[in-house]
Amino acid sequence: KNQVEQSPQSLIILEGKNCTLQCNYTVSPFSNLRWYKQDTGRGPVSLTIMTFSENTKSNGRYTATLDADTKQSSLHITASQLSDSASYICVVSASNTGKLIFGQGTTLQVKP
Amino acid sequence: NAGVTQTPKFQVLKTGQSMTLQCAQDMNHNSMYWYRQDPGMGLRLIYYSASEGTTDKGEVPNGYNVSRLNKREFSLRLESAAPSQTSVYFCASSVVLRSGNTIYFGEGSWLTVV
Repeated sequence: KNQVEQSPQSLIILEGKNCTLQCNYTVSPFSNLRWYKQDTGRGPVSLTIMTFSENTKSNGRYTATLDADTKQSSLHITASQLSDSASYICVVSASNTGKLIFGQGTTLQVKP
Repeated sequence: NAGVTQTPKFQVLKTGQSMTLQCAQDMNHNSMYWYRQDPGMGLRLIYYSASEGTTDKGEVPNGYNVSRLNKREFSLRLESAAPSQTSVYFCASSVVLRSGNTIYFGEGSWLTVV
């Protein structure tokens, strides 16, 4: 069964600190992996999208990595800001169906 | 650009009432989707439309109907609302880029069925 598992479920860090969110997937055949940021009360917004051949992609202070062999991805946030408080959702696409499989998300709270 | 616009933002329904969630996108995307998001669960696909005039069931279609009125609009209808349909609903549209299928979400509709 195609699944996407994220960890931790929630995370609290102090402003200015770095953090890393994890995403493990069992989706096959793999097409691409996306990280979305969802602010409270808003819709998800795309941060990065990576295909099979890409190992790392950055978007400002957000850096996503992908290991297609181990089927793992991480999202690293550098020098966190209060505005980074949100849910971060990992989404994997299956290449044969185009279907998107969503992780449950990691809720990040950045405290001053 | 407005992107994906959905209405209403909030709605309270009584069990058995019907209602329609409206969605429109101004990005000329072919594909549109309706998802629901519940606490502790990932977004689940209710219905999608790959192009104008076509609709297909997603993961959780029971209790819902959809209409792809034209390329811009994709509505979700609850014919007889049930408390289990209390959720946050997201409309989305997508475009195929070189990196893959990129989805753009609306701001969500909070629905409570009492």
